[in-house]
Amino acid sequence: GENVEQHPSTLSVQEGDSAVIKCTYSDSASNYFPWYKQELGKGPQLIIDIRSNVGEKKDQRIAVTLNKTAKHFSLHITETQPEDSAVYFCAASKGPGGSYIPTFGRGTSLIVHP
Amino acid sequence: EAQVTQNPRYLITVTGKKLTVTCSQNMNHEYMSWYRQDPGLGLRQIYYSMNVEVTDKGDVPEGYKVSRKEKRNFPLILESPSPNQTSLYFCASRKVGGDRDTQYFGPGTRLTVL
Repeated sequence: GENVEQHPSTLSVQEGDSAVIKCTYSDSASNYFPWYKQELGKGPQLIIDIRSNVGEKKDQRIAVTLNKTAKHFSLHITETQPEDSAVYFCAASKGPGGSYIPTFGRGTSLIVHP
Repeated sequence: EAQVTQNPRYLITVTGKKLTVTCSQNMNHEYMSWYRQDPGLGLRQIYYSMNVEVTDKGDVPEGYKVSRKEKRNFPLILESPSPNQTSLYFCASRKVGGDRDTQYFGPGTRLTVL
């Protein structure tokens, strides 16, 4: 089955700095990679996703890059703000929707210091 | 408001005492799922359901049961809880066939088994 490794487990940055979270996956058939943000006391929420036919996707201060050959993808957050503090999960699946079930990474706790 | 609700939010119980955690969604989603979240292990899927009367095991189904008699409800049943089932549980739902893995997560149920 699919195995998703996520690093680092904890990331501490100063407000305004950039943050990068990296994930690798094992199944070359995976072609859909969503990222979730989990704020304290809440369930995870989808923040951005990317398909394997795209190398990069941006949405304001967040971006995701994918290297299909190397089987790794990354989340980039620029100009971090205290409200970005949360746990972030990457995931990989063989497709969005349908019967495809995502495999999650173990999560990264991002702390943004004011 | 589109949402997934879980009850109870917090539960302390004793070993062997049967319990049920309810999950309900109001978005008419076909797909529903249960996850447990443990420190350092991320989100692990327990069971999922693609539609009414269709359920399947996830990665960690041992000790759990589910049922899907109605589209909106997906209860998680622990017939004989044990301390290793102490965890934070999330229910999630999404539309089957969408172009994004927009899983909507409930607020979580923190279960302690003594």
